[in-house]
Amino acid sequence: ETGVTQTPRHLVMGMTNKKSLKCEQHLGHNAMYWYKQSAKKPLELMFVYSLEERVENNSVPSRFSPECPNSSHLFLHLHTLQPEDSALYLCASSQESPGPFNEQFFGPGTRLTVL
Amino acid sequence: AQSVAQPEDQVNVAEGNPLTVKCTYSVSGNPYLFWYVQYPNRGLQFLLKYITGDNLVKGSYGFEAEFNKSQTSFHLKKPSALVSDSALYFCAVRDYGGSQGNLIFGKGTKLSVKP
Repeated sequence: ETGVTQTPRHLVMGMTNKKSLKCEQHLGHNAMYWYKQSAKKPLELMFVYSLEERVENNSVPSRFSPECPNSSHLFLHLHTLQPEDSALYLCASSQESPGPFNEQFFGPGTRLTVL
Repeated sequence: AQSVAQPEDQVNVAEGNPLTVKCTYSVSGNPYLFWYVQYPNRGLQFLLKYITGDNLVKGSYGFEAEFNKSQTSFHLKKPSALVSDSALYFCAVRDYGGSQGNLIFGKGTKLSVKP
């Protein structure tokens, strides 16, 4: 395993529900990421946290709300989602110092289905 | 702007034959290049990376990749394919000096190795 865990692995929710995705990394990294993977599309970077501060937010709708309480944990809070938000949500972590050349380690993903 | 192209949606190879998965990139500065593999129902796993130095990079599971600056390519290769190599392969690039966390992925190439 990669040292990055995600829960739950599968989630089915209605459009009016509120749920949260959890990611935990056991690698001592200082940066964490959320990606969205949809069929037939490249991976979409959603959010980046470095040293627990959000450094990137790629025009993600406000119905997705990230939270990074410490360097080991990352959450993605979901509310009033749309069916087109159904996808595999991947969490990743990396060590971002001293340079941007370290690989990212990915969790297994949460398969989200919005009904 | 950075971009990555994987021109083949699918590559079919017979077991024991050599395989190549193609990747070309576009960056404004010096590229950091990565290959990842994704098995069904799993997250992405790091295979190898090019940062600087020798143009031939060796990675996990017998894979290697050749950096070609003049052709802006970073093709993934393996001398003898295994059925277990069947998976989805992603090329990714990061521009030296680009924003932290901004790893750009290609759309992926499905590798199918038949016995």
